[in-house]
Amino acid sequence: QSVLTQPPSVSAAPGQKVTISCSGSSSNIGVHWVSWYQHLPGTAPKLLIYEDDNRPSGIPDRFSGSKSGTSATLGITGLQTGDEADYYCGAWDNSLTAEVFGTGTKVTVL
Amino acid sequence: EVNLVESGGGLVQPGGSLKLSCAASGFSFSGADIHWVRQASGKGLEGVGRMTTKSSNYATEYPASVKGRFTISRDDSKNMAYLQMNSLKTEDTAVYYCSFYRPAHGMDVWGQGTTVTVSS
Repeated sequence: QSVLTQPPSVSAAPGQKVTISCSGSSSNIGVHWVSWYQHLPGTAPKLLIYEDDNRPSGIPDRFSGSKSGTSATLGITGLQTGDEADYYCGAWDNSLTAEVFGTGTKVTVL
Repeated sequence: EVNLVESGGGLVQPGGSLKLSCAASGFSFSGADIHWVRQASGKGLEGVGRMTTKSSNYATEYPASVKGRFTISRDDSKNMAYLQMNSLKTEDTAVYYCSFYRPAHGMDVWGQGTTVTVSS
């Protein structure tokens, strides 16, 4: 029951750029910070972006985040085969009183 | 080095209980909010609760799907987080992750996950 909507998949050739959108509402993205995570099956999710557009230490600047109103976007430039994974946006939701996540986007490197 | 070790997962019958544990090290445990997040097979991530720090009165919040059945607790003296799950349903079957939100770092600390299977 994800309340944040993402495209199911995006793909591009190595070296190219992809963007992943995350659409929410005034009870989550509209009033709270957005985070982005990279997730490989069987492993712990990895934080890529926090507080809308900040990268944790060790995350390359190929990854970027932005937010406008009730939507957010993750950008990945210089796509690498190691970037193939599922990507999720996340934010706190005041109405649901829970951390909510997006529907997930599978990134494929062609 | 930041490290989380989860334990307590397993097979339980519907209506049963299970308590998950999360042992943390390498960061300021007492200054971090605890989150528990689950992922059912083939599904996305779902937050199942949050506990704040002592400075925020150890406030807890849960989504409707688990409210009244799940309880988060913490022992700052032992750097331990817990998720008590009661009245378990088959739809609670998932991999459960503990995670920590640190100010100015975001939710950057995650456990490896522990599997909970609710089945008769």
